[in-house]
Amino acid sequence: DMKVTQMPRYLIKRMGENVLLECGQDMSHETMYWYRQDPGLGLQLIYISYDVDSNSEGDIPKGYRVSRKKREHFSLILDSAKTNQTSVYFCASSFGAEQFFGPGTRLTVL
Amino acid sequence: GDSVIQMQGQVTLSENDFLFINCTYSTTGYPTLFWYVQYSGEGPQLLLQVTTANNKGSSRGFEATYDKGTTSFHLQKTSVQEIDSAVYYCAMREDNAGAKLTFGGGTRLTVRP
Repeated sequence: DMKVTQMPRYLIKRMGENVLLECGQDMSHETMYWYRQDPGLGLQLIYISYDVDSNSEGDIPKGYRVSRKKREHFSLILDSAKTNQTSVYFCASSFGAEQFFGPGTRLTVL
Repeated sequence: GDSVIQMQGQVTLSENDFLFINCTYSTTGYPTLFWYVQYSGEGPQLLLQVTTANNKGSSRGFEATYDKGTTSFHLQKTSVQEIDSAVYYCAMREDNAGAKLTFGGGTRLTVRP
């Protein structure tokens, strides 16, 4: 069954702590993405990865970094989380024009 | 810059009502357009897509027509059901933007039984 997985599904952190969000896909897709979703703003692209160690900034990369050391795995890292990074984060991978999304991680930064 | 606008943040209908969700886009090129649907607790999933070659897409009773003149890509369904309750996102991929999608703000559809 083709799928994108995300861990953890829910996370509560304090301001200034480091955050690691993990994403995996079993479809061998080259391209993967990290988005954040906020009410009224839709999905905003944070980073896009075209393959292992080939990452590019999206529209809102500030405060985030990513790591992709294996094709099937893409991590989003928040060094010293801020309260305005409270959001739902989605990972996706793509084949052709279609993007396949994971179930999301709800991050709360207190 | 490129943008996708969904003016309706929320739409509430009764079962068997007609659905119309606005989407307009702004770009200099000839984009591919998409509608994604997000059910509660899940990630978005592709509902339909349209290119300049075919102009119209349909899936699961939903239809959308690509109108280059008005730069619009509205989503329609003749008779909605309660199971259609979800958030609908219009999205655009510019022809020179590689894999990147630009999403609208989303429209939350609630269908009352």
